Amino acid sequence: DAGITQSPRYKITETGRQVTLMCHQTWSHSYMFWYRQDLGHGLRLIYYSAAADITDKGEVPDGYVVSRSKTENFPLTLESATRSQTSVYFCASSDEDLYSNQPQHFGDGTRLSIL
Amino acid sequence: GQQLNQSPQSMFIQEGEDVSMNCTSSSIFNTWLWYKQDPGEGPVLLIALYKAGELTSNGRLTAQFGITRKDSFLNISASIPSDVGIYFCAGQLGGGSQGNLIFGKGTKLSVKP
Repeated sequence: DAGITQSPRYKITETGRQVTLMCHQTWSHSYMFWYRQDLGHGLRLIYYSAAADITDKGEVPDGYVVSRSKTENFPLTLESATRSQTSVYFCASSDEDLYSNQPQHFGDGTRLSIL
Repeated sequence: GQQLNQSPQSMFIQEGEDVSMNCTSSSIFNTWLWYKQDPGEGPVLLIALYKAGELTSNGRLTAQFGITRKDSFLNISASIPSDVGIYFCAGQLGGGSQGNLIFGKGTKLSVKP
């Protein structure tokens, strides 16, 4: 039971470069999410997706791009990385239920440093 | 936007002691979730609460969904060293919008053997 996996676990890159963080889940969950975690801010939602080809902005979407061509994958791209995007990024997924909000399950995170 | 006030921010306790933490908000939530995060890992779901007044246990953990739907608490009984970590509450708004999950800023728990 692989669950939800993120790659890479650690990444160092330079300002202005494009970088893509990968997220893969094996549960066939409908919903997938990207968060960033920073000291003093907790977890903040960047983007989420309700199904393949459906994405929507969260609280802090600027500077990020997502896609969801397949249900199991939800990559997050920083098109031109900035130092303020240095953070720990978490991917999460949850199932769809018409009658209750299903809890989100998280990957182990990608620690991204932008120099 | 909606905010969750989680307290305390940190706790340093002796092994065997009970722990209590809570989250409050000015918004009404349909679901309350409690997560634990260990260093270098993602948050792991501990307890999910779906009804106002609901009291749910998971081993030594007990959580309650406040009657007003604006608060929740988590208790840990007889703490042990492996309870160390950061505990997050999260409130989920209704209306079927899975994106509306709001996190507290966490309670960092340290346990002295």
